[in-house]
Amino acid sequence: QKEVEQNSGPLSVPEGAIASLNCTYSDRGSQSFFWYRQYSGKSPELIMFIYSNGDKEDGRFTAQLNKASQYVSLLIRDSQPSDSATYLCAVSGGGADGLTFGKGTHLIIQP
Amino acid sequence: EADIYQTPRYLVIGTGKKITLECSQTMGHDKMYWYQQDPGMELHLIHYSYGVNSTEKGDLSSESTVSRIRTEHFPLTLESARPSHTSQYLCASSDTEAFFGQGTRLTVV
Repeated sequence: QKEVEQNSGPLSVPEGAIASLNCTYSDRGSQSFFWYRQYSGKSPELIMFIYSNGDKEDGRFTAQLNKASQYVSLLIRDSQPSDSATYLCAVSGGGADGLTFGKGTHLIIQP
Repeated sequence: EADIYQTPRYLVIGTGKKITLECSQTMGHDKMYWYQQDPGMELHLIHYSYGVNSTEKGDLSSESTVSRIRTEHFPLTLESARPSHTSQYLCASSDTEAFFGQGTRLTVV
């Protein structure tokens, strides 16, 4: 069974600092990796995706993928209180495979 | 903007009633999912479909059933609602990344 592991937190980070969220996955054949943000009472929304080893940057967000270590991370630079949410890591094997979600990390940005 | 819709957004219903939660998407995605999520808790996959006439049970045992007669439509049915079914139900569809509907918050009294 495919597994996606995340530290549930809460992870507390001061405003303006870098928040680092981590995720490991069990299926070595996984090809697509996603980060979702979910505010309390709302639906998850996609914020980043990454398919290749290395870093991918989008504004204040950087996704990092290391397939050899089966590890994907999300960095949030200049953290803002509005970044406080639960961050879900999702992994797909591609093709007909669906997405497997982690349990999420609760991030708190302290003003 | 994702084109996936759930109705109703909120539903309060009595024990023993039959209910159907609707989910429709206009993106032509083959894969669709139903998740159950309690406040502050993780997503639990209860049903998924990889195409028309394909449905599978997810990781969390559920008394609900689903159907997939059309690509765009993936309704979830509870034949006899109970208070233990009180939760938020999220529908999603995907090609590569998944898009979520706004959810249905169900309360069974």
